[in-house]
Amino acid sequence: KAGVTQTPRYLIKTRGQQVTLSCSPISGHRSVSWYQQTPGQGLQFLFEYFSETQRNKGNFPGRFSGRQFSNSRSEMNVSTLELGDSALYLCASSLVSSGSYTDTQYFGPGTRLTVL
Amino acid sequence: QKEVEQNSGPLSVPEGAIASLNCTYSDRGSQSFFWYRQYSGKSPELIMFIYSNGDKEDGRFTAQLNKASQYVSLLIRDSQPSDSATYLCAVFNAGNNRKLIWGLGTSLAVNP
Repeated sequence: KAGVTQTPRYLIKTRGQQVTLSCSPISGHRSVSWYQQTPGQGLQFLFEYFSETQRNKGNFPGRFSGRQFSNSRSEMNVSTLELGDSALYLCASSLVSSGSYTDTQYFGPGTRLTVL
Repeated sequence: QKEVEQNSGPLSVPEGAIASLNCTYSDRGSQSFFWYRQYSGKSPELIMFIYSNGDKEDGRFTAQLNKASQYVSLLIRDSQPSDSATYLCAVFNAGNNRKLIWGLGTSLAVNP
C-alpha cells in the first residue's frame, strides 16, 4: 500500500507570495492533519480535515488555510508569505475508525518551504 | 503545565546500552500513547503505540505505560548509533475531539 505523498518536496518563494501544498493520504484513510516544524521546534499543529470538514485547528493566523476533497486528498494554502513561514510542512493521514482509540498517524516526507 | 512533556535532552548513551526516554501527560482521559522517531531533516516515523497499562515489546523497543502516574516511557535495548534521532511522544484522547497532542521530543545520541 502506498504511503502518504506530498508535493512539492521543495519550494522557494518570496515574501508576499502565496503557496499551495498538496497531500495524498494512504488509501482508505479519511483524516489528514497538517503540521509545521521549524528547527528546534516541535510539531506545531495547523489543522485536521476529516470527511472534507475541518475538525480541529491549531493556533495559526488566518493566512493558513486548508481543504480536503472527496477523495481525501488535502491541500493547504499560505497567503502573504512571511520569512517566518520557512519550515518543513508535514502531512499525516490516519484511518479513523468510529470508536477506535488508536488513530495512528502516518507522515508524508514533508514539503520544505523557504521564504526569501 | 504543558499537556505532554518530554525532556529535550540531549540524552547520550554508549552503544549497546539501554536508552530510557520519558513522557508525562496532563489529561487523565488520554487513551492511546505513541512513540515516533524523527531523524534530522526527515519526517516522523511510528515506532509503536500502547494503550494498556504495563509493558509492550517490539524488537529492541519496549513501551511502558502507567496511567495512574500519567507517564509513558520508551526503552531502547542494545542502542545503536543508528538510533540517534529525536523521539516524539504523542497522546490521544478520543473524547477531546480526537486530538493528538505532541511533546517537543527528546534528542538521543548513541555514541560508538
